[in-house]
Amino acid sequence: AQSVTQLDSQVPVFEEAPVELRCNYSSSVSVYLFWYVQYPNQGLQLLLKYLSGSTLVKGINGFEAEFNKSQTSFHLRKPSVHISDTAEYFCAVLLIYNQGGKLIFGQGTELSVKP
Amino acid sequence: DSGVTQTPKHLITATGQRVTLRCSPRSGDLSVYWYQQSLDQGLQFLIQYYNGEERAKGNILERFSAQQFPDLHSELNLSSLELGDSALYFCASSVDQRPYEQYFGPGTRLTVT
Repeated sequence: AQSVTQLDSQVPVFEEAPVELRCNYSSSVSVYLFWYVQYPNQGLQLLLKYLSGSTLVKGINGFEAEFNKSQTSFHLRKPSVHISDTAEYFCAVLLIYNQGGKLIFGQGTELSVKP
Repeated sequence: DSGVTQTPKHLITATGQRVTLRCSPRSGDLSVYWYQQSLDQGLQFLIQYYNGEERAKGNILERFSAQQFPDLHSELNLSSLELGDSALYFCASSVDQRPYEQYFGPGTRLTVT
């Protein structure tokens, strides 16, 4: 069965510091991975995705993630965070059905950027 | 703005009642997905429709049902509501049958009292 574990429920960090949000997955089939961000009182927005190809994926707002098959990880990184990055971040894996699919989400990591 | 619209934004109702949540996908998207977000369960996939047909199902209760209409808008019906149904309900849409790139609406916050 496919599942996603986000290792940290909360990550406090100072502005301009680097950050890494950790995500591990389990999957017995082809792996498609995603990071979404949810700002307060808003819906989810796609940050980046890994479908195939280069294991280093660049997304919006300066975020990137690295797919590591041997460690079954897909950690999200940003070299220098801003106050505006304060939000909840969700890692997800895609489970494909015959004629459809669904995203299985981790529990989320709350990133809090302090001045 | 993702282009996905959901109505209403907020809904307060009593236990035992029935409600309908509405979603309009982005222009051109054929798939609609419903998710429930609650503090104890997190983000849970409920159901997917593609061009009017059910394509994938998650942990959707029997008291819940959904459909997608010919104009591609979708409705999620929740009946015999319980306190535990209080949650944020998101709709998302994608062009394809698979959610390789999914766009989320702003959600409907349901409070059952």
